[in-house]
Amino acid sequence: NAGVTQTPKFQVLKTGQSMTLQCAQDMNHEYMSWYRQDPGMGLRLIHYSVGAGITDQGEVPNGYNVSRSTTEDFPLRLLSAAPSQTSVYFCASSYGRSSYNSPLHFGNGTRLTVT
Amino acid sequence: GESVGLHLPTLSVQEGDNSIINCAYSNSASDYFIWYKQESGKGPQFIIDIRSNMDKRQGQRVTVLLNKTVKHLSLQIAATQPGDSAVYFCAEMGGSAGGTSYGKLTFGQGTILTVHP
Repeated sequence: NAGVTQTPKFQVLKTGQSMTLQCAQDMNHEYMSWYRQDPGMGLRLIHYSVGAGITDQGEVPNGYNVSRSTTEDFPLRLLSAAPSQTSVYFCASSYGRSSYNSPLHFGNGTRLTVT
Repeated sequence: GESVGLHLPTLSVQEGDNSIINCAYSNSASDYFIWYKQESGKGPQFIIDIRSNMDKRQGQRVTVLLNKTVKHLSLQIAATQPGDSAVYFCAEMGGSAGGTSYGKLTFGQGTILTVHP
């Protein structure tokens, strides 16, 4: 199993550009989520999905869209990039969304810089 | 508001020593706690978890202690090795009652552990 795969690893955007961060998992996990990690802020939840066709907002959803058309994929779209979205983005998945012994598995992140 | 925080942002130890990383939480309804390790350039990696009906859980070289009275969580690493050098995060998950925090982890800011040979 590859686990959680994120692409690209690095990305530089100009203000106003749009792009999609890709996330795929091959563990047949029901729950997937996106976090951003900023210095001094810890990991903050952007959006999450409890299954194909179902998405919901997390703590910091503004400026981001998600969709979950398949169990495996959970792309994150930046509609119009802003410098405040410069961050490291992590995708995570788990078998169940809150079950004990079902911890989140994280990808290795996408480092995004918006100039 | 709900938050999870750490007492010490950095911890330096000698190889072979035991390490203790602390975490405070404020949500008394939290019923599940997790420790993650994050190495440079990688995503967080699960270490160990504990439910609120337990006060201690042991893994391989790691022990998590939960003190619900003072809302404190700690991670103990025995015989710390250079490969243990990383950022360690605690995270808490709210109880299922009400469903609004169901399944959503709240992370602390992290403690940097440095192990000197």
